[in-house]
Amino acid sequence: GAVVSQHPSRVICKSGTSVKIECRSLDFQATTMFWYRQFPKQSLMLMATSNEGSKATYEQGVEKDKFLINHASLTLSTLTVTSAHPEDSSFYICSARGHKNTGELFFGEGSRLTVL
Amino acid sequence: QKEVEQNSGPLSVPEGAIASLNCTYSDRGSQSFFWYRQYSGKSPELIMSIYSNGDKEDGRFTAQLNKASQYVSLLIRDSQPSDSATYLCAVNTPGNQFYFGTGTSLTVIP
Repeated sequence: GAVVSQHPSRVICKSGTSVKIECRSLDFQATTMFWYRQFPKQSLMLMATSNEGSKATYEQGVEKDKFLINHASLTLSTLTVTSAHPEDSSFYICSARGHKNTGELFFGEGSRLTVL
Repeated sequence: QKEVEQNSGPLSVPEGAIASLNCTYSDRGSQSFFWYRQYSGKSPELIMSIYSNGDKEDGRFTAQLNKASQYVSLLIRDSQPSDSATYLCAVNTPGNQFYFGTGTSLTVIP
């Protein structure tokens, strides 16, 4: 299957700092990327959907000013957690889909964020 | 998000038995349905996709879709201990969102 690379896999930061997570589709053009957050023993919660070249569509309850998503190219999307706090500690997972909107999602490896 | 619902389990089955996982969804216009498997601390991996009513078989796995009842299921035949994981049902809505259910934890007992 297609490959999606996510970086960093683990990050520890101090409260109040910002963290950027990158998601790259390595062997296909990702017209749509999805960002999820997963707390322990819970399911994946969709945070936002981003289409290349346009603003991300955020799910209800997700602060767009806190979770900045940029999808500037067909192979790269970034999630920046601004002014991170301990409650933002979670497993963040990106996924990408090619031109077929009915197709499966390909997932990155996930990024474990710990805010001290 | 309650667009997709699953019985969270845990579900335990003996090795060699059939494991049955169920999922319902709310958006009647949804056309694409997926089952993913997730091990602890890892990203989900795709097991099956299904788009049409009826059954779709792939090895030991069979996905079943009933759009009228807004119901998707996954059967795992000859369950193995390595099948122990959390199984996530996912639905692609007409609005282009991709929602996951809460997941069902499966344990296959040797």
